[in-house]
Amino acid sequence: DAKTTQPTSMDCAEGRAANLPCNHSTISGNEYVYWYRQIHSQGPQYIIHGLKNNETNEMASLIITEDRKSSTLILPHATLRDTAVYYCIVRANTGNQFYFGTGTSLTVIP
Amino acid sequence: EAEVAQSPRYKITEKSQAVAFWCDPISGHATLYWYRQILGQGPELLVQFQDESVVDDSQLPKDRFSAERLKGVDSTLKIQPAELGDSAMYLCASSFYAGTGANVLTFGAGSRLTVL
Repeated sequence: DAKTTQPTSMDCAEGRAANLPCNHSTISGNEYVYWYRQIHSQGPQYIIHGLKNNETNEMASLIITEDRKSSTLILPHATLRDTAVYYCIVRANTGNQFYFGTGTSLTVIP
Repeated sequence: EAEVAQSPRYKITEKSQAVAFWCDPISGHATLYWYRQILGQGPELLVQFQDESVVDDSQLPKDRFSAERLKGVDSTLKIQPAELGDSAMYLCASSFYAGTGANVLTFGAGSRLTVL
């Protein structure tokens, strides 16, 4: 499974869009990009996933570059409750393991 | 909304004692995972089950850790004897994987272990 690189931490003003980048330059054609987040002392929570096309759900949007070597998770209107560690994971649909890195610690500032 | 149940939520024990964690996955989820998360780090996979069979336990410290899923439903992770370095959050996750497409994991709230 491909390795991902994320910034260690980011800040975002409340009400603004939070854009969290992820590099996955060694991604293979059958590997999906997943995003999870973990609020302090809770289990990770699924946010969104995608393969090639951009995706949107009620929580966030996922923008994947055409060459699939990077992606951006967008929280359109960040709230204080979005303060969490965000993990970007790439995994093949036939693979078994989800490998988490250290993620990006997002702090939403009032 | 269906949830992954874990217990206990918190556990404090002394080193050399035995400790056990229990996980009940979402009904119908054949795949079950145990992760360990040390403070400040991302979750690390310990063991993965497909039904009652172990698929991957390469990162499980087998000299002191054991995991079972006897009937392919709920699972128990045991540590004996506990060591100071075992202090961590133990997370259980489950997924329904049809063999094609994406495979979304749902995590429980975790069991936080403190070894004194």
